[in-house]
Amino acid sequence: EVQLVESGGGLVQPGGSLRLSCAASGFTFTNYWMHWVRQAPGKGLEWVSHINSDGDRTAFADSVKGRFTISRDNAKNTVYLQMDGLRAADTAVYYCANGLASWGQGTLVTVSS
Amino acid sequence: QAVVTQEPSLTVSPGGTVTLTCASSTGAVTSGHCPYWFHQKPGQVPRTLIYDITKKHSWTPARFSGSLLGGKAALTLSGAQPEDEAEYYCLLSYSGVWVFGGGTKLTVL
Repeated sequence: EVQLVESGGGLVQPGGSLRLSCAASGFTFTNYWMHWVRQAPGKGLEWVSHINSDGDRTAFADSVKGRFTISRDNAKNTVYLQMDGLRAADTAVYYCANGLASWGQGTLVTVSS
Repeated sequence: QAVVTQEPSLTVSPGGTVTLTCASSTGAVTSGHCPYWFHQKPGQVPRTLIYDITKKHSWTPARFSGSLLGGKAALTLSGAQPEDEAEYYCLLSYSGVWVFGGGTKLTVL
């Protein structure tokens, strides 16, 4: 059974940083590009970033480019999202997804003073 | 960044058929956009229904199908069930940068 478990969310002040993790199991991690998608409270889905299987190709939404970094550790079956320069508009539930097929339960990030 | 547009809301009768569409601000949606469709029920995690225009996952009910229609990506629901009431999102790729549509609230009534 595919399992994706996000962690690392919480309350952070504007301008602060957080690192989200997504631990994967139940599938061959190295076969999949991994994605982060977020959803602000009461709003729609927003694609944030993805990383290829080898970890050497990444892409970001314009809204986070230059502030967020994505990486993966294939030995640990884990993908990360480093979020710097956080803004109130980054407040959302952050989901990881394997190849946009299965989704985790999400982790809530709240940016507020 | 491109804008992806969906109908804000649609209503379908139980047992009826409805088509949701997904348009791109850059022009016609093509296979290069690798269209995806998801649905999300209140309080739940999104679930992927369709990928690469027409492909289904093992969990995708047979009543859902994807296509390209009139320059847009389309999701057709044939034989709507009450449990299909949800928000539906499409997703398009723009050379590796993905953009969601705003979502369609589908009511089964």
